[in-house]
Amino acid sequence: DAKTTQPPSMDCAEGRAANLPCNHSTISGNEYVYWYRQIHSQGPQYIIHGLKNNETNEMASLIITEDRKSSTLILPHATLRDTAVYYCIVRGRLYGQNFVFGPGTRLSVLP
Amino acid sequence: DTEVTQTPKHLVMGMTNKKSLKCEQHMGHRAMYWYKQKAKKPPELMFVYSYEKLSINESVPSRFSPECPNSSLLNLHLHALQPEDSALYLCASSQGRASGRTDTQYFGPGTRLTVL
Repeated sequence: DAKTTQPPSMDCAEGRAANLPCNHSTISGNEYVYWYRQIHSQGPQYIIHGLKNNETNEMASLIITEDRKSSTLILPHATLRDTAVYYCIVRGRLYGQNFVFGPGTRLSVLP
Repeated sequence: DTEVTQTPKHLVMGMTNKKSLKCEQHMGHRAMYWYKQKAKKPPELMFVYSYEKLSINESVPSRFSPECPNSSLLNLHLHALQPEDSALYLCASSQGRASGRTDTQYFGPGTRLTVL
């Protein structure tokens, strides 16, 4: 079973920030939080991952709470092309610990 | 470059046919994966290969037969499939055991399989 819970759907206005929450209350100390997204009928696309510090790359920012029980993926200026299913996944860093995808959040960016 | 390629993009086959799906990566990754994704569901892991050896089989029926001929290639051989096997089949790769950091997986675009 997935170790995360996410809202099933969210809307965001184009040009505004999209904030996608994820709860992972049972996360253990050596487990990372990964985010992927899947645009309709394409393969999942890696976005970002983090352990306990906030992370930022060219696609998004990841904010992890101090107790690490939840996180938020931030798309700073959402565009219509960001409409997708966003998956939050908790996984250990060691090889052999595989990704278990939950249902994800379907983000709709509206014009 | 984080590209994983898959061929064909679409495949329609009858229940008595034999077909193969192909996946390729040139990132020097040593772990490769097959996932199955039914409509409106998340991807589910089928097989994991590490250094060209099968390391995980998630109780997949024998009508699905994976093969890893070398570190860049991964095949999925299909035989006597059922209509309920229609799905998007995704390949992924990662650095694998040798990675000193988190082992991020990179996915291909998938093969859309329809079994008639």
